[in-house]
Amino acid sequence: NAGVIQTPRHKVTGKGQEATLWCEPISGHSAVFWYRQTIVQGLEFLTYFRNQAPIDDSGMPKERFSAQMPNQSHSTLKIQSTQPQDSAVYLCASRVRDNSYEQYFGPGTRLTVL
Amino acid sequence: QQKVQQSPESLSVPEGGMASFNCTSSDRNFQYFWWYRQHSGEGPKALMSIFSDGDKKEGRFTAHLNKASLHVSLHIRDSQPSDSALYFCAASSSSFSKLVFGQGTSLSVVP
Repeated sequence: NAGVIQTPRHKVTGKGQEATLWCEPISGHSAVFWYRQTIVQGLEFLTYFRNQAPIDDSGMPKERFSAQMPNQSHSTLKIQSTQPQDSAVYLCASRVRDNSYEQYFGPGTRLTVL
Repeated sequence: QQKVQQSPESLSVPEGGMASFNCTSSDRNFQYFWWYRQHSGEGPKALMSIFSDGDKKEGRFTAHLNKASLHVSLHIRDSQPSDSALYFCAASSSSFSKLVFGQGTSLSVVP
């Protein structure tokens, strides 16, 4: 079991560029969560998919951020026109089924916007 | 306003000592609580969950929940240097919804 895989581990973009972050959940897990971690704000929920369907995107910034889960094996978080305040560690987590409680986190992608 | 308040911000304990962390929620919808640990360069990893009032013990770790006061705590006995990490409490309104995290406590166990 390789765990949740996130790529790339580090990404540096210039202000205004686009960044796409990838997440491969644990095989067989039906739910995928995205969180963002910064020193100031801590760990913040962004969005959540269950069986590939978007369930809760209440934490997603209304502009420039979007997430998709086109199949069971991966999810993407896209940030358009990146800004320095988007710099953070973006964490993906997966959960095996609805009545299973634990979320398994990947190692995160550290995004730096210059 | 942070819905889950965690304290202390940082903690240093001697090897073999007891480390204690506390969280209080301001949202009575939160009924499910977890403790996560994060080592540097890694994602958080679940340590324990607690959903009922009282104590729950797993090895060196003991969690306590008081739903009336929305207070949850974690105690680590016989702390080891490998326990040095960030510790987060997390809460949710259902067993399968998003987690709301506290700000975290940085634990340093000094040999």
